[in-house]
Amino acid sequence: GESVGLHLPTLSVQEGDNSIINCAYSNSASDYFIWYKQESGKGPQFIIDIRSNMDKRQGQRVTVLLNKTVKHLSLQIAATQPGDSAVYFCAENGGSQGNLIFGKGTKLSVKP
Amino acid sequence: EAGVVQSPRYKIIEKKQPVAFWCNPISGHNTLYWYLQNLGQGPELLIRYENEEAVDDSQLPKDRFSAERLKGVDSTLKIQPAELGDSAVYLCASSDPTRGPGTQYFGPGTRLLVL
Repeated sequence: GESVGLHLPTLSVQEGDNSIINCAYSNSASDYFIWYKQESGKGPQFIIDIRSNMDKRQGQRVTVLLNKTVKHLSLQIAATQPGDSAVYFCAENGGSQGNLIFGKGTKLSVKP
Repeated sequence: EAGVVQSPRYKIIEKKQPVAFWCNPISGHNTLYWYLQNLGQGPELLIRYENEEAVDDSQLPKDRFSAERLKGVDSTLKIQPAELGDSAVYLCASSDPTRGPGTQYFGPGTRLLVL
């Protein structure tokens, strides 16, 4: 069936280090992928997206990589800061009518 | 620009009682979504509106859940009667369809606890 999953449920990094959060997807028909950040008590916040005709897309301190061969998505955060501490979700447009399917989330903890 | 507004932020009810959640999307966003989010899980779509029309309600448990968006602006999600398993966060989101489904703006959610 359709699913989006995460390899690591928790990730702890030192402030200033780079973070990599991984995600696997199973719906080969998905052609649009998004990373969201969710802080405690708040709704998910859009970080960056990528379409299937791209392998890499960069934003401010964040990079998303897409490997369609192995159906893998990753989010790289450069120079991780305490404010990056949150739960990160990947999502794909593999649902009915192109609706988003969210993964289970990875909790990122940044140690000062 | 005001974000997506939801109320109440928290609700505690006893099982079998009714409950309603309200959402006011970002002005000009004609697509509105209701999601359910369990602890540690990603949001799961319940229903999607395009203006006042529910274009996808396939995941809405219609025996107890209902939703409306009468004037194509704000929306209400209702549960009647609530069950213990309904305890979760109910998120509302809105988007401008010209910008793609990923650019959904989420509200802070309503945290429901059913006792």
